[in-house]
This record gives sequence, C-alpha cells and structure tokens, in this order.
Amino acid sequence: GENVEQHPSTLSVQEGDSAVIKCTYSDSASNYFPWYKQELGKRPQLIIDIRSNVGEKKDQRIAVTLNKTAKHFSLHITETQPEDSAVYFCAGLNDYKLSFGAGTTVTVRA
Amino acid sequence: DGGITQSPKYLFRKEGQNVTLSCEQNLNHDAMYWYRQDPGQGLRLIYYSQIVNDFQKGDIAEGYSVSREKKESFPLTVTSAQKNPTAFYLCASTRGGSANTQYFGPGTRLTVL
Repeated sequence: GENVEQHPSTLSVQEGDSAVIKCTYSDSASNYFPWYKQELGKRPQLIIDIRSNVGEKKDQRIAVTLNKTAKHFSLHITETQPEDSAVYFCAGLNDYKLSFGAGTTVTVRA
Repeated sequence: DGGITQSPKYLFRKEGQNVTLSCEQNLNHDAMYWYRQDPGQGLRLIYYSQIVNDFQKGDIAEGYSVSREKKESFPLTVTSAQKNPTAFYLCASTRGGSANTQYFGPGTRLTVL
C-alpha cells in the first residue's frame, strides 16, 4: 500500500515569513494529493489539493507543488498569519484510499 | 463538510463493552470512510465503503465492525476486542470514483474508563 512521510513534525515561523512542509510517497500509482488543516479538537479541513497531471497549484497565500518523478509534494504558505497556526496533514490517494502523513504542527509567532 | 454529522461528540466506554458511533451524510456521496486519530499522529483508515451493502477493511480494522445498509449512514462499532480504543474517530465521505475530495465529520472522542 501507499506510505506517506511528512517533514518536519513541528515548524515555528515568524509572522509574515513563509512556511514549507514536504511529503514523500511510495506508490507511483497515487494520483491525488490533498492537504488538510486541523485545529485543535476540530475536523480536518481541505485547504488545497493537486492531481497527478498538474505540477503546481496556487490559491492566494497557499501553493502546492508536485514532483512525480521524485515522488514528493510540498505545501507552501506565504505571508503567514497567526490564524495559520494548526496541524497540517498531507495525503496521497491510491486505490480509493487516502494515506496520511503524520502531520506538521505549525506555530506562527507574532 | 457541514452535511456530515457524527454522534455522540464524546463517548465513554467501560472495559468489555461494545459501543457504536454514528455517521450520517446528506451529501448524496457514494463512498464513506472511518479513521482513527491518536494524539500527535496522522489519520489511520479503519474501514471504508464504496457502495451500499459493501465495505472493505482498512489498515487497522481489527476490533471494529461496520455496516452500510443505507447510502447516508455508515455506523462504526468498537468491540471489546479492540484493546486500546481511546482515540478521536473521524468519519468522511466523498463522491464516487477516485481523486475526489473527502469531507470530514466533526468527530467522536471515545474514552475507555
């Protein structure tokens, strides 16, 4: 099955700086890669996703890049704000199942 | 994701008891999923169902059971065979087919007393 690894596990950034989270996946058949944001005690919320036929996607301050050859994808958050503080999960879809990374706790320092 | 509901929000179980977690969706989604989340960890797949009356085991199905008698409902039973059931349980749904967004319910926090 698919194995998704996520780094770093924690990330502290100064407000206004950028944050980057990286994930690798093992199964080249995986074709869909969503990113979720989860605040404490709440449900994960989709923030951006990318399909395997696209190399990059951007939505305001959030962007995702995908390198199929190297089997890795990254989340980029620019101009970070305090409300960006949360746990972020990457995932890869293979055979109708999502495999999740272990999560990155992002703290934005004011 | 407001179309997926889970109940109860908090659940307490005594040793040896079976408990059932409810998940309902009104999004007309074909596929439904159950995940378990432990502190500081990602989501692990317990069971999933692509269509009514059919479901498959995920990565950690031991000690759990499900049913899918209706399209909108996918209850999860945590049996006494699950030795460490304390966790946050999340239900999700998606339209049929692959590469579609999964929407999550608000979760049920299960604690064993």
